Amino acid sequence: EAQVTQNPRYLITVTGKKLTVTCSQNMNHEYMSWYRQDPGLGLRQIYYSMNVEVTDKGDVPEGYKVSRKEKRNFPLILESPSPNQTSLYFCASSPLRQNTEAFFGQGTRLTVV
Amino acid sequence: AQSVAQPEDQVNVAEGNPLTVKCTYSVSGNPYLFWYVQYPNRGLQFLLKYITGDNLVKGSYGFEAEFNKSQTSFHLKKPSALVSDSALYFCAVRDDGNNRLAFGKGNQVVVIP
Repeated sequence: EAQVTQNPRYLITVTGKKLTVTCSQNMNHEYMSWYRQDPGLGLRQIYYSMNVEVTDKGDVPEGYKVSRKEKRNFPLILESPSPNQTSLYFCASSPLRQNTEAFFGQGTRLTVV
Repeated sequence: AQSVAQPEDQVNVAEGNPLTVKCTYSVSGNPYLFWYVQYPNRGLQFLLKYITGDNLVKGSYGFEAEFNKSQTSFHLKKPSALVSDSALYFCAVRDDGNNRLAFGKGNQVVVIP
C-alpha cells in the first residue's frame, strides 16, 4: 500500500531535549516536505526537499533541521525544542512534477512543556 | 512566491443545501491547484486538482471545483451537502516555476442536520 509513515504519532517532551520525528514514504517520490498546522494559521511549510541531499527552507524553518540522505526518508529534527513548537506536524511526499498531488502522513502531535 | 487565501474561517450549511468553499490564489507562473480535506485526527486527503483544460473539475465524494483565471479563484462546490462532509478543507497551489506546495489557512465546514 502506498503510504507516508510518520513516527511517533504523539510526543510529549521537555524544553531543550533534542527530538527527531521520522517520515518515510514507499512511493519513490522525489519531493518531500514538512508542515506544521496551528489553529487559525493553516499549514505552514517548514522545510522541503527536491531529492536526495537537496533541502531548502520553507516559510517557518527556525528551530528545525532536516536531512535527506535516502530518497524514502526525511526526518525532522528539533535540536532544542521550545513550547512555541507545540503543534501538529505533517510530512508529505509527491513526484517532482508540479501537476501531481501530494500524499500526507497521519500527523505527529508534539507537545513541548 | 505562491500564496493562497481562504477568506472564511467557517462555513455553515444545512444538509441538502449547496456547499461552496472559496479560494483565491497568487502565483508568478501557471497555477496547479488542489483541494484537500482533513477529518478529525486524520491526515490530509486529496479531493481534486486543476492542471489545465476544462475549468470545471470533478473529484471525490461528489465535490467539484471551478477554476477562474481572471478572478484567480478555485472555489470548491458540492450541490447537496451531507453531514459527513463536515471537516476542514484546504486549498493549495503550485506554480510551474517551482515545486513548493503552498496552503491556505483552511475552512471549517459544518453541515447542520
